[in-house]
Amino acid sequence: QQPVQSPQAVILREGEDAVINCSSSKALYSVHWYRQKHGEAPVFLMILLKGGEQKGHEKISASFNEKKQQSSLYLTASQLSYSGTYFCGTLGGNTGTASKLTFGTGTRLQVTL
Amino acid sequence: GAGVSQSPRYKVTKRGQDVALRCDPISGHVSLYWYRQALGQGPEFLTYFNYEAQQDKSGLPNDRFSAERPEGSISTLTIQRTEQRDSAMYRCASSDRVGGYTFGSGTRLTVV
Repeated sequence: QQPVQSPQAVILREGEDAVINCSSSKALYSVHWYRQKHGEAPVFLMILLKGGEQKGHEKISASFNEKKQQSSLYLTASQLSYSGTYFCGTLGGNTGTASKLTFGTGTRLQVTL
Repeated sequence: GAGVSQSPRYKVTKRGQDVALRCDPISGHVSLYWYRQALGQGPEFLTYFNYEAQQDKSGLPNDRFSAERPEGSISTLTIQRTEQRDSAMYRCASSDRVGGYTFGSGTRLTVV
């Protein structure tokens, strides 16, 4: 099944923080996060592997709780350039090599002045 | 190449015609994926390859859809006897064994 993301949409003022959640009904090996701007291809942000790893990318970080089968993406001090739709992509089971991602339902983020 | 290249960018075809969509992945990337994406939705898996071997085609909607990657590089997704419901953005992505996906710009298919 498709991972469920929440919230579906969020509007922020520049400088505010946001959290996007991704929840799966299946055991997960890893979680990817992507951002897609309107009319463009999804762009890879980061990958989190089994082990509760937390990663950061500038002011964007993420966590992965494999027991809860959940991941969260944290955007701090948001910038206008953060606007777009965010997708998580999940890889199930014990896959150690390339396999297919199942993408989540998406979260539309809009940052305003 | 520097990125994933897909062609054509746009394709308008009449119902019943066959279409072939091409994907040229990043050089050296082992894995190649085909997804379909509806407006506002996440990419929906179709099929993927490791090298030239098709690993999983469970997402192909029916037997009118097929894909190949004969030399482990360029891939072609073919849709036979197109129907209006096939209209969508078709995206290709490639990755190395453990990394994130790099997506191409996609082919917007319209069946009239």
